[in-house]
Amino acid sequence: KNEVEQSPQNLTAQEGEFITINCSYSVGISALHWLQQHPGGGIVSLFMLSSGKKKHGRLIATINIQEKHSSLHITASHPRDSAVYICAVIGNQFYFGTGTSLTVIP
Amino acid sequence: EAGVTQFPSHSVIEKGQTVTLRCDPISGHDNLYWYRRVMGKEIKFLLHFVKESKQDESGMPNNRFLAERTGGTYSTLKVQPAELEDSGVYFCASSLLTGKNTEAFFGQGTRLTVV
Repeated sequence: KNEVEQSPQNLTAQEGEFITINCSYSVGISALHWLQQHPGGGIVSLFMLSSGKKKHGRLIATINIQEKHSSLHITASHPRDSAVYICAVIGNQFYFGTGTSLTVIP
Repeated sequence: EAGVTQFPSHSVIEKGQTVTLRCDPISGHDNLYWYRRVMGKEIKFLLHFVKESKQDESGMPNNRFLAERTGGTYSTLKVQPAELEDSGVYFCASSLLTGKNTEAFFGQGTRLTVV
């Protein structure tokens, strides 16, 4: 069983829709990253969270340490948001989720 | 400020050959991590350097993989001899500190194809 589980694995949305990607983890962590990878591109860190909530533009990330769960929300989704979103947690090492492939259709 | 850089961006080699990947972390970052994503699977940890020392190499798949970080600056990951199952994307990340609230910065990755 993977230490980090993401859902859904694949997501297709219409432009403008509100999107939620979920991440659950089973290890003790000091922080959690939400990462973005565009096709053929490298990995970009969107957020690093250790508690509460963070917001950057249309992106919102929340974490509940007690429930070992985090969510990434995208408001007013746009085709340029199409990418793979990866949850990674920092325990004694990094553990990665399998990623959520998001496609936003115009 | 330059981010984490990796060379080459893409490498195609034949089975049995040797390939060396390089990672240049952000200047001053003592912590350097190697990961890889094999086709269709999640990103897996390979190893962690603190300066020039291997802090954790539990993720290294076998003795065909050798990582070094001489002088505690850039790191190399050598695969010798390469096998077909080594194909994937190899990522490097660096961070200033370990532990709570440590932000990691990732490189663009090296896409390795073994044919």
